[in-house]
Amino acid sequence: QSVLTQPPSVSAAPGQKVTISCSGSSSNIGNNYVSWYQQLPGTAPKLLIYENNKRPSGIPDRFSGSKSGTSATLGITGLQTGDEADYYCGTWESSLSALYVFGTGTKVTVL
Amino acid sequence: QVQLVHSGAEVKRPGASVKVSCKASGYTFTGYYMHWVRQAPGQGLEWMGWINPDSGGTNYAQNFQGRVTLTRDTSISTAYMELSRLRSDDTAVYYCARDPAYSYGPSPYWYFDLWGRGTLVTVSS
Repeated sequence: QSVLTQPPSVSAAPGQKVTISCSGSSSNIGNNYVSWYQQLPGTAPKLLIYENNKRPSGIPDRFSGSKSGTSATLGITGLQTGDEADYYCGTWESSLSALYVFGTGTKVTVL
Repeated sequence: QVQLVHSGAEVKRPGASVKVSCKASGYTFTGYYMHWVRQAPGQGLEWMGWINPDSGGTNYAQNFQGRVTLTRDTSISTAYMELSRLRSDDTAVYYCARDPAYSYGPSPYWYFDLWGRGTLVTVSS
């Protein structure tokens, strides 16, 4: 089971905004960068955000990331039907069990 | 085209081993760290380990210590993940994922900017 907790699902109408939280601890989020991944149905994950709030080239500015303390947040504005996907946070973990951990994942539904 | 191409799906018996390949193209394979991540059906992502394709150095998640081996063949720009003593709960899609950190650096950057499409490994008697 993951040490990073995300809400199982969030939903909103097209054009609206959603936020996805990722809650951890001082051994992971609290002292390390967070990245976010989008996984469309049946496909491999895709990098959306790295180092808490940076977007790779090609990722629209509708996607944003932030971090505060031991939690991180992904925001999606101007929601589109193509944004329906699973979203995962991830970060380095200083405990012995794993060096990198992903969040539990959040399903975004566009109503 | 920058991409990672996996080997085909595998079906294995419990107790057997599987070796999955990931061929890199469009960039310098030895230039960047490579991670492996798996995803059981309907489940989340689980990090397994990384390999430095230049030095061959590796680091594994403790959950897989002793069962997983990451290797590479630089002559064909291919990374391999071998998992032994397979169990039914090892049924998953196995992905390779590039880390943008240069391999001559001291450590990965710990995010994954390029993913393969994955290899489905089914463990069943």
